[in-house]
Amino acid sequence: SAVISQKPSRDICQRGTSLTIQCQVDSQVTMMFWYRQQPGQSLTLIATANQGSEATYESGFVIDKFPISRPNLTFSTLTVSNMSPEDSSIYLCSVSDRGRTEAFFGQGTRLTVV
Amino acid sequence: SQQGEEDPQALSIQEGENATMNCSYKTSINNLQWYRQNSGRGLVHLILIRSNEREKHSGRLRVTLDTSKKSSSLLITASRAADTASYFCATDASGGYNKLIFGAGTRLAVHP
Repeated sequence: SAVISQKPSRDICQRGTSLTIQCQVDSQVTMMFWYRQQPGQSLTLIATANQGSEATYESGFVIDKFPISRPNLTFSTLTVSNMSPEDSSIYLCSVSDRGRTEAFFGQGTRLTVV
Repeated sequence: SQQGEEDPQALSIQEGENATMNCSYKTSINNLQWYRQNSGRGLVHLILIRSNEREKHSGRLRVTLDTSKKSSSLLITASRAADTASYFCATDASGGYNKLIFGAGTRLAVHP
């Protein structure tokens, strides 16, 4: 199993500002993913964080709005840029390795933009 | 994009009753997973069923998979108040790396 520390757990931010969310894993993992969960909705994949290279974004998500870093195999950050109230969501990181039968999730960051 | 739909969207039952949740998906799969989420927090893996399996059990959980109908069901038997949570099915879009596409989810409320 993998233990994931995600910070902050929650934040209230002013529109137009940016927030960086950190995801730290207790072991090296191949894959790290970022998801968004809008209020009352399911999880939507934002991007795959690639170690040492640019993240791979899903349709509807762009690097300028959600820049992602992954400097090593245990750490990643997601920044939500130029926030608006529509960005109010829970953001979750997830990790896995090939052949694993499950993904492991952080506890999420509950973001409210006012 | 989300893989498919789940029904019901919300389910309210009494302790001791069984809860059945259904999930549909759109593409071919190698496996299908079910996850649980308590109060908008992190997800916990419950069970995985492979595409060549039709039924799988784990404790009070029973999962079925019908690949011809592209559907799965999760049955929780003898439910408890502690089972109150949201339940999601998910399929792997990455061929083994657990890049997951989630269904819409079912919010289960179990009343004492």
